[in-house]
Parts: sequence; structure tokens; C-alpha cells
Amino acid sequence: EAGVAQSPRYKIIEKRQSVAFWCNPISGHATLYWYQQILGQGPKLLIQFQNNGVVDDSQLPKDRFSAERLKGVDSTLKIQPAKLEDSAVYLCASSTGNSGNTIYFGEGSWLTVV
Amino acid sequence: GESVGLHLPTLSVQEGDNSIINCAYSNSASDYFIWYKQESGKGPQFIIDIRSNMDKRQGQRVTVLLNKTVKHLSLQIAATQPGDSAVYFCAEILNQGGKLIFGQGTELSVKP
Repeated sequence: EAGVAQSPRYKIIEKRQSVAFWCNPISGHATLYWYQQILGQGPKLLIQFQNNGVVDDSQLPKDRFSAERLKGVDSTLKIQPAKLEDSAVYLCASSTGNSGNTIYFGEGSWLTVV
Repeated sequence: GESVGLHLPTLSVQEGDNSIINCAYSNSASDYFIWYKQESGKGPQFIIDIRSNMDKRQGQRVTVLLNKTVKHLSLQIAATQPGDSAVYFCAEILNQGGKLIFGQGTELSVKP
């Protein structure tokens, strides 16, 4: 079974530039998550989708971050404009959406803002 | 806010010894707990999970213990191997909507 796919794996941008990350969840998984993981910390949930609807985006900095999952399958996370403190790993995860079902993570997209 | 934390940030053990990684949580409404292993440069990898109606669950070389009275979770790794070296996170899922909340993490270092 293919895992959660993310791209790009690595990205370096200057502050105030924009960046987009793409995620393709495991086939059939209705729930998709985007997490931000700053070095030395645990992942922090940015946004959770159930199919193409947003379940939770309470910790998404909406002035600069946006995410969409238009067809309920793959998803894009965008940052515009980027700040230095956005340097982190952006992890995508997916699950079937049923309570207690395993949440699988991708390898992450590593962002460095200089 | 975030409610899951770990007692120790680092743990060093000798190869072959047993490891115990601890975690405290604060939300009594959480009904599902997961341990993840994260190796350098990789995403979190599922290790083992436990529901709130259980107090112990065993996997291959790993055991998770849940003490709801004191809101404590632990991961025991038997016969620790160099390949077990990683950061271990506990995470909890609140019973509304499946929101997964991570703790800070414990870095396990296995000495040969």
C-alpha cells in the first residue's frame, strides 16, 4: 500500500516569498491533516480536512497560511508571505476518519526561510 | 491548548536493556492514545496505540501502559536495539473529531 506522499521534500526561500506544499494521502482516506513541526518540538496541527471540508483550522495562521482539498483527495498548503519563524517541517497525515483508526504520516516537506 | 507532555527530554540506554519512556496527559476526555517513533529526517511512524478502556497493550517488543487515574502513559521497549534510537512522541486523540495532539518528545539514544 502506498503511503502518504509529499512534495517537495526540501525548499529554501527568502522571507516574504511564497511556497506551496502538496500532499497525496493514502487511497481511500477521508481525513487529511497538515502539521507544522519546528525543530525539537512535537508536531502541531494546522488544519484537518474531512473529505473536502475543513474540520479544524483553529491553529492555522490565516493571514499567511491557506490550505485546500478541493476534490477531497490531494491537498495543497500555501504560505504567503513567508516569515523566518515558518522554518519547519510540514507534515501531511491521513486516516480513514473513524475514531481510533491509525493516522499515517508522510516524510514531510522541510522549509527553510532565510 | 496542547495537553500532552513528557517527563524526560532525553533517555540513554545500553543495547539490550529495556527502555521506558513516560508521558503525562491532561485531558481526561481523550479516549485514544498513540506512540510514534520519529527518526531523523523522517515523518512520525506509528508504533502502538491504546484505547482508554484498556490499561495495557503489547506489541512486538513494545508495551504501552495507561494509568487513567494519574493520566500517565508509558512505552516500554524490550531488549533495546541501536535501531530504536529516535525521538518518541506520545499523542492523544480527543473524542470529538479525531484531533491528534502531540507531546514534546523524548530522544532515545542506544549505546552499543
